Amino acid sequence: DQQVKQNSPSLSVQEGRISILNCDYTNSMFDYFLWYKKYPAEGPTFLISISSIKDKNEDGRFTVFLNKSAKHLSLHIVPSQPGDSAVYFCAASRLFGNEKLTFGTGTRLTIIP
Amino acid sequence: ETGVTQTPRHLVMGMTNKKSLKCEQHLGHNAMYWYKQSAKKPLELMFVYNFKEQTENNSVPSRFSPECPNSSHLFLHLHTLQPEDSALYLCASSQEAGTGYTGELFFGEGSRLTVL
Repeated sequence: DQQVKQNSPSLSVQEGRISILNCDYTNSMFDYFLWYKKYPAEGPTFLISISSIKDKNEDGRFTVFLNKSAKHLSLHIVPSQPGDSAVYFCAASRLFGNEKLTFGTGTRLTIIP
Repeated sequence: ETGVTQTPRHLVMGMTNKKSLKCEQHLGHNAMYWYKQSAKKPLELMFVYNFKEQTENNSVPSRFSPECPNSSHLFLHLHTLQPEDSALYLCASSQEAGTGYTGELFFGEGSRLTVL
């Protein structure tokens, strides 16, 4: 049973437009959420995170939104750039419990020039 | 360069071979992890070491044997693997695996394993 789900395996967005990647979770005990970005032949790298006490966290072009009641989070990238083309993994954990991260299956984002 | 180095990057082995994957981190972290990434599946946690002690074995078959001689080095010894074990094996490190941890992991580039 997947506790973290990324239902869109792929997404294509025009350069300069907004990219929205979605993630749903089922475990209400999760209180910390992260996005990782992965280029081919490289390991995932941390991108941005959000704690359950917030509903939004912004870092430059990247913003993560958390809707606890819907158990849903999203990553917005604006404006999208060709270098953003990568696989994006959503992950969740319990900050003050078992910190093991649970990952989603990833969404491949392609930015079209 | 994430500070976590994995070797070899690619490995092809037969089902009767014995091989090892190596991971080294230069970040001064105290926790190290092995993850498995198979196609169209989430990253699967295999093992966690915290201050050289194994704190988690996520029901991994015994044909995978981890070793952590110190906080900077982690090995995954492979023996009599099956073709379905073919995957990308990722090593990661973090400050420590405990309370108050932010959840940020630093990953290596991975070792692509093919079992024939």
